[in-house]
Amino acid sequence: QKEVEQNSGPLSVPEGAIASLNCTYSDRGSQSFFWYRQYSGKSPELIMSIYSNGDKEDGRFTAQLNKASQYVSLLIRDSQPSDSATYLCAADSNYQLIWGAGTKLIIKP
Amino acid sequence: DTGVSQDPRHKITKRGQNVTFRCDPISEHNRLYWYRQTLGQGPEFLTYFQNEAQLEKSRLLSDRFSAERPKGSFSTLEIQRTEQGDSAMYLCASSPWDSYGYTFGSGTRLTVV
Repeated sequence: QKEVEQNSGPLSVPEGAIASLNCTYSDRGSQSFFWYRQYSGKSPELIMSIYSNGDKEDGRFTAQLNKASQYVSLLIRDSQPSDSATYLCAADSNYQLIWGAGTKLIIKP
Repeated sequence: DTGVSQDPRHKITKRGQNVTFRCDPISEHNRLYWYRQTLGQGPEFLTYFQNEAQLEKSRLLSDRFSAERPKGSFSTLEIQRTEQGDSAMYLCASSPWDSYGYTFGSGTRLTVV
């Protein structure tokens, strides 16, 4: 069974601090990795994709990939209350994405 | 283009009834996916189309679920003889042929009573 694992949280971070979200995956054949943000009652929204080892930065977001350790992370700098949401990690596997259950992030003002 | 559109947004049905949902993907996207999501869980794969061809269907699905994508444009998902366990958010997503970076629709929330 191919899996993506995330800590369910909640992860509570003060406003302005760095939020660090982590994810591991089981399929060594996965090549594409994604972070989605999901607000309560809404559908997931793509915020970052990463395909090669190392870091990828986009504004306040940095995705990190380590294929040897099968580990993906997302850093959110200068966290804002609007970043409070559930963050879903996903990895590609045979025509589809395999999803983690998500980490609930709470940014405290 | 206004993104991925799903209809209806909400559906309440009695157990045993059939329901059908519609998804209109982003026009230039030839990949279309259906997922199901329950509270506190990530999306669960149901089926995948590339153009009009249904290339993958979850083994978790019973024969009560069927999906179509005639002419490679919009798609429909039908659930026959609904059960209470079918209550969930049904999500449609589309992507270009060379990317798994999906764009999701707003979803259809199904409640079976």
